[in-house]
Amino acid sequence: GQQVMQIPQYQHVQEGEDFTTYCNSSTTLSNIQWYKQRPGGHPVFLIQLVKSGEVKKQKRLTFQFGEAKKNSSLHITATQTTDVGTYFCAGQGNYGQNFVFGPGTRLSVLP
Amino acid sequence: DTEVTQTPKHLVMGMTNKKSLKCEQHMGHRAMYWYKQKAKKPPELMFVYSYEKLSINESVPSRFSPECPNSSLLNLHLHALQPEDSALYLCASSQEAPGQGTYSGNTIYFGEGSWLTVV
Repeated sequence: GQQVMQIPQYQHVQEGEDFTTYCNSSTTLSNIQWYKQRPGGHPVFLIQLVKSGEVKKQKRLTFQFGEAKKNSSLHITATQTTDVGTYFCAGQGNYGQNFVFGPGTRLSVLP
Repeated sequence: DTEVTQTPKHLVMGMTNKKSLKCEQHMGHRAMYWYKQKAKKPPELMFVYSYEKLSINESVPSRFSPECPNSSLLNLHLHALQPEDSALYLCASSQEAPGQGTYSGNTIYFGEGSWLTVV
């Protein structure tokens, strides 16, 4: 079955540093979604990527979908303490399957 | 702010109790979900309802019983749970069920969750 992995598992950065998390699927995806979950909170939808090679930006966040549609990345420029949380990718296969969540990357930002 | 509302936010129940978790959405979404999330883990799909009919049961034990009274409501009935069932239970909805409609219609919106402790 489809598997989605994320690296790193944890990342500690100093405030102002950049951060990147990578998502890799064992199979080609039709689309991928990214979620953020604050400590004690619930997953909040950030963005959806559909096209091969797609790049989308939201302020300091940049999302990429790989050319082969098997990997994706989330890059945060100049992290802030409000960026703290766990970032999950969730991929959907080509046959309309349910989304498979990656294990998440937990980001800590030191002030 | 989430438009998926869950109650209660916290629940403590004994192993012989019967309780229910409730979920409501008024976005006109046709698919509703129950997820279970343990600490430091991703959400784990339990059930999917599409157009008020159960479409997916991810081999969930029968002590969890979902119910969809109408297109806006989703319940999860709990009976004879075990301490290992303690977790955050997340309700979610999407415009369409996976595999139906457009990709954007599959975007999943989560409620704030119900923190369940089984003692």
